[in-house]
Amino acid sequence: RKEVEQDPGPFNVPEGATVAFNCTYSNSASQSFFWYRQDCRKEPKLLMSVYSSGNEDGRFTAQLNRASQYISLLIRDSKLSDSATYLCVVISYSGAGSYQLTFGKGTKLSVIP
Amino acid sequence: GAVVSQHPSWVICKSGTSVKIECRSLDFQATTMFWYRQFPKQSLMLMATSNEGSKATYEQGVEKDKFLINHASLTLSTLTVTSAHPEDSSFYICSAGKTGGSYEQYFGPGTRLTVT
Repeated sequence: RKEVEQDPGPFNVPEGATVAFNCTYSNSASQSFFWYRQDCRKEPKLLMSVYSSGNEDGRFTAQLNRASQYISLLIRDSKLSDSATYLCVVISYSGAGSYQLTFGKGTKLSVIP
Repeated sequence: GAVVSQHPSWVICKSGTSVKIECRSLDFQATTMFWYRQFPKQSLMLMATSNEGSKATYEQGVEKDKFLINHASLTLSTLTVTSAHPEDSSFYICSAGKTGGSYEQYFGPGTRLTVT
């Protein structure tokens, strides 16, 4: 089983739709979780951190389910500008300032007019 | 904020030459930095973990003698592509997380390498 798995998509949704992505991880000791967005030919940019209690930022909601070892990202009222690849990033600490980073291959979202 | 810079942003070199790419955390210290490669229309691929003051850890399939990593300070890591070949042409990106923080990654803007 891969360490972090995402549905690669593409997800093609109309403007205004709600879309959800999931990301599963295999290392139960993982401690920090993030969603990034990457536009074509650009570097990934942090979208939001993911907390156990869930967190919301405008149209975006991220949740963490430790028991089932997955994180999710919900985008409401999709905009054309939301079209991008969404990466989930999982971090495991190994002590003394060291940590391991694992990420999914990304889910491609295309919002259609 | 947290800013990571890369230099150069793009480079063209001839086969057989070596190219050095710098990754700097401008306003924070980073014990660990990561190097990635991304080919067109493909996923980001982690190449190696760069640790300040120690040897880098390479992912399976990445040649450590071809991709030399030096993390000489808490704000600078370098990746040298030695004896470059056209198949090394790619988008190379680095990331760093604040030491002592939640380790959310801040990515550099990337370096486009073209080997002719």
